[in-house]
Amino acid sequence: SAVISQKPSRDICQRGTSLTIQCQVDSQVTMMFWYRQQPGQSLTLIATANQGSEATYESGFVIDKFPISRPNLTFSTLTVSNMSPEDSSIYLCSGTDSYEQYFGPGTRLTVT
Amino acid sequence: KQEVTQIPAALSVPEGENLVLNCSFTDSAIYNLQWFRQDPGKGLTSLLLIQSSQREQTSGRLNASLDKSSGRSTLYIAASQPGDSATYLCAVKDSYGQNFVFGPGTRLSVLP
Repeated sequence: SAVISQKPSRDICQRGTSLTIQCQVDSQVTMMFWYRQQPGQSLTLIATANQGSEATYESGFVIDKFPISRPNLTFSTLTVSNMSPEDSSIYLCSGTDSYEQYFGPGTRLTVT
Repeated sequence: KQEVTQIPAALSVPEGENLVLNCSFTDSAIYNLQWFRQDPGKGLTSLLLIQSSQREQTSGRLNASLDKSSGRSTLYIAASQPGDSATYLCAVKDSYGQNFVFGPGTRLSVLP
C-alpha cells in the first residue's frame, strides 16, 4: 500500500493569485492523479501527472490554469493559477500501483 | 465512455440496521472496482477492492459483491453504527486504461 500526504491541508486565497499544492507518496506508484471535488459533488479528474513530461489533462482542464509537475515517481505538484471563487474546492492527489488507488487527505481551497 | 451511478443518493437509518448501497456501471469491461469512504472535508479511505474475476470481498462488517455482466456492485454494511456515517463512493477501473471513474456517492447517516 501507499501513504499519500498533501500540503497545505487548507488555504484561503485572494482572487487572481496562485496556489501550489504538494503531494508526496511514501513508496513508488506507477501513476499519480489530481482530482477536484467541488462542494457536494463527487470527484472530477483534472489530469494524470506524468513523470518528467507534461501532464495529461481531461476535457475542460488546461495546463495554463492547472500546471502540474512530477519530477520523480513519488512527488507531484498542482498549481491553481489566477484563482477565482469558482476554484474553491477540495483538491485531491491520488496514486495507483496499477492495482489499487490511494488518496491523500486533500487540500481545501477557499478563494475570496 | 464509462459512467458510474449510485443509488440511493442519501440514506438515513437507525443504528443496528443492515443496509445495502448500490453501484452501477455502463461498461462491463472493468479491471477492478473499489469502494471508498469519505468523511466530510476529508480525503478518501479505501474500504474494499474487487478484481474483475472476483464475486465478492469482505472486511469486518462490510461485504462488497460484483456482478460484472450486469454492471452492478453492492456494498453491504451489517449492524450499522453512528461511526459509519460518511459518504460512500464506488470507482471502477477500466480494463484498457489507468483511470478510475467515480460514482457520485451515497451519503449515509446512521442515527444513534
